[in-house]
Amino acid sequence: QTVVTQEPSLTVSPGGTVTLTCASSTGAVTSGYFPNWIQQKPGQAPRALIYSTSDKHSWTPARFSGSLLGGKAALTLSGVQPEDEADYYCLLYYGGPWVFGGGTKLTVL
Amino acid sequence: QVQLVESGGGVVQPGRSLRLSCAASGFTFSAYRMNWVRQAPGKGLEWVAFILYDGSNKYYTDSVKGRFSISRDNSKNTLYLQMNSLRIEDTGIYYCARDPGPWGQGTLVTVSS
Repeated sequence: QTVVTQEPSLTVSPGGTVTLTCASSTGAVTSGYFPNWIQQKPGQAPRALIYSTSDKHSWTPARFSGSLLGGKAALTLSGVQPEDEADYYCLLYYGGPWVFGGGTKLTVL
Repeated sequence: QVQLVESGGGVVQPGRSLRLSCAASGFTFSAYRMNWVRQAPGKGLEWVAFILYDGSNKYYTDSVKGRFSISRDNSKNTLYLQMNSLRIEDTGIYYCARDPGPWGQGTLVTVSS
C-alpha cells in the first residue's frame, strides 16, 4: 500500500513564505512521479495549480511554485495572501495508478 | 473556455448501480487523458480511475476494481464512470479531472439504505 505523506497543517503570516512537502513511502520523489499540486478552498471544487513538478496552469498565480526538495516534491508560496488559506493536496503518479497525499491545511494568520 | 460538467449523481441503495457522465467542452477531448477523483464527506481527495486518450489503457484504485468501469466516447466529448455494487463507503463527491487540469465542479453520490 503506497502512502503519500504531507504535513497535516501549516501556518504562515500574510506576506510570508511557506513550503509544503510531499513524500512517498516508496522512496525519493523524482520528476518521474509527475508531482501535481491541487488547491481546495472550503465549499469549493479542487483547482489544479502545478503539474509535472513545476509547470503552472494559465490560472496559477505567480507566487506559487513547485520543485523537488530533499527527495520530496515541494510547493512554495511566496508573498502569501489571505485568499491562499486552503487545503493543498499533492498527487503522485505510480506508473498507472495515481495516489493523493492526505492534504495540508494552510492557515494564513 | 475549458469546461467539465459532471452529472448522474444521486441517492442509491447499497448494491445498486449508477453511471456518472462528464461532458467536456472548450478543448480537444480526444487529446487528453482523463481521471475520476472522489471525496468522501469531510475527507481528503481519492483518485478513483484513469483512462488514456483512446480508452486503450485504464487504471483503478484497488477499492473499486471489479466494480467500477471508466470509459469515454470521444465522438461525444464525454467521460463516463459506471459504478456497480455500490457500497456505503462510495458516498462522496465525484470529480471529473482532465490530466493535468482543470477539474469539474463534481456530482454527489450518496449510497444509503
